[in-house]
Amino acid sequence: AQSVTQPDIHITVSEGASLELRCNYSYGATPYLFWYVQSPGQGLQLLLKYFSGDTLVQGIKGFEAEFKRSQSSFNLRKPSVHWSDAAEYFCAVGHFMEYGNKLVFGAGTILRVKS
Amino acid sequence: DAGITQSPRHKVTETGTPVTLRCHQTENHRYMYWYRQDPGHGLRLIHYSYGVKDTDKGEVSDGYSVSRSKTEDFLLTLESATSSQTSVYFCAISESRSEAFFGQGTRLTVV
Repeated sequence: AQSVTQPDIHITVSEGASLELRCNYSYGATPYLFWYVQSPGQGLQLLLKYFSGDTLVQGIKGFEAEFKRSQSSFNLRKPSVHWSDAAEYFCAVGHFMEYGNKLVFGAGTILRVKS
Repeated sequence: DAGITQSPRHKVTETGTPVTLRCHQTENHRYMYWYRQDPGHGLRLIHYSYGVKDTDKGEVSDGYSVSRSKTEDFLLTLESATSSQTSVYFCAISESRSEAFFGQGTRLTVV
């Protein structure tokens, strides 16, 4: 069965510092991978996705993620964090079937940004 | 935001009462989903639909039922609400082999 692990429940970084959020997945086939962001009281917004091809994918808001098959990882990065990036981040693996797409989510990482 | 409307946005109900949450989309996407979000668990799939009248169970479907009589509407029903069903519920939509788009969520409290 698919599973996603986000090892860090909370991360605090200073504004302007770099950021890396970790994500490890378990999936038997080629994974479809996603990062979503959720601001308080809001729904989830897609940051980026990996389906195939270049293992370094660019997303919105200056985020990028790198797919490493050998490590079963899909870590999210940003070179310089802004205070508005404070939110909860979810990694997900997609299982695409004939009758629907199932997303399995990690437990999330809460990002705090200190000034 | 994708055209997804969840109603109500907030609801407080008593244990043992039935509750129906509604998801309405204007994107004409084939697939619709109901997830619940709980601290420490991320989002977990309750039920999903792959067409009108076509639904299937997710990983946490006990105590929930769904119906989809029109492409645009997907209803989630708690037949007899329990305190363990206090949660934030999200509706999502997608096309085949693509990302999901999420609604704003419904916060349900069962007292």
